[in-house]
Amino acid sequence: VQLVESGGGLAQPGRSLRLSCTASGFTFDDHVMHWVRQGPRMGLEWVSSASWNGEFLDYADSVKGRFTVSRDNAKDSLFLQMNSLRPEDTALYYCVRGRSTSLRDFLDFWGQGTLVTVSS
Amino acid sequence: SYVLTQAPSVSAAPGQTATITCGGANIGGKSVHWYRQRPGQAPVLVMYYDGDRPSGIPERISGSNSGNTATLTITRVEAVDEADYYCQVWDTDNNRVLFGGGTKLTVL
Repeated sequence: VQLVESGGGLAQPGRSLRLSCTASGFTFDDHVMHWVRQGPRMGLEWVSSASWNGEFLDYADSVKGRFTVSRDNAKDSLFLQMNSLRPEDTALYYCVRGRSTSLRDFLDFWGQGTLVTVSS
Repeated sequence: SYVLTQAPSVSAAPGQTATITCGGANIGGKSVHWYRQRPGQAPVLVMYYDGDRPSGIPERISGSNSGNTATLTITRVEAVDEADYYCQVWDTDNNRVLFGGGTKLTVL
């Protein structure tokens, strides 16, 4: 099982970034996928979830209306479009696999993360 | 909204037992999962559904959940156990993933 995130970097406040996560080693559409972030010297914060077929999408209040999650099961990929970025969005963003197709299930595998820094 | 409370830090000497707790209103009625994050590494699942261990996690790590407290217990603590530990539940009030604030385990 492998989850490889990309797309992080430095962005100015108000600008956009698009994160990608490429999965391998498992049947991608057998799993819910999540984005979880960790600010500098902070704890884990759930950001967004995508159901196995991408039809149900959910967001933390802190990013709702600014971030959009999507997935392409044909390409075993998960995405996070991040608009109107704020300094408080600065974090390491993890792509995380849910254990099953149930949103309620635990998170059983984490990528290594991609760093997003929002600063002028 | 539902809140998970973890002590910021605990410590234990090698060979001793470390107890990491996660408090929440009637958390015993929920399924609790635990993740270990060693310095500079991504989190790893170490316990699911209160007390089930993923493959590769040693038997000296155990979990329980009752009343208002879930507990992760590490017996015969080793240097490799030094890490941040996070509890997690499914927040039924808001239908989303919820993490505790994390507990840093220091091995003395």
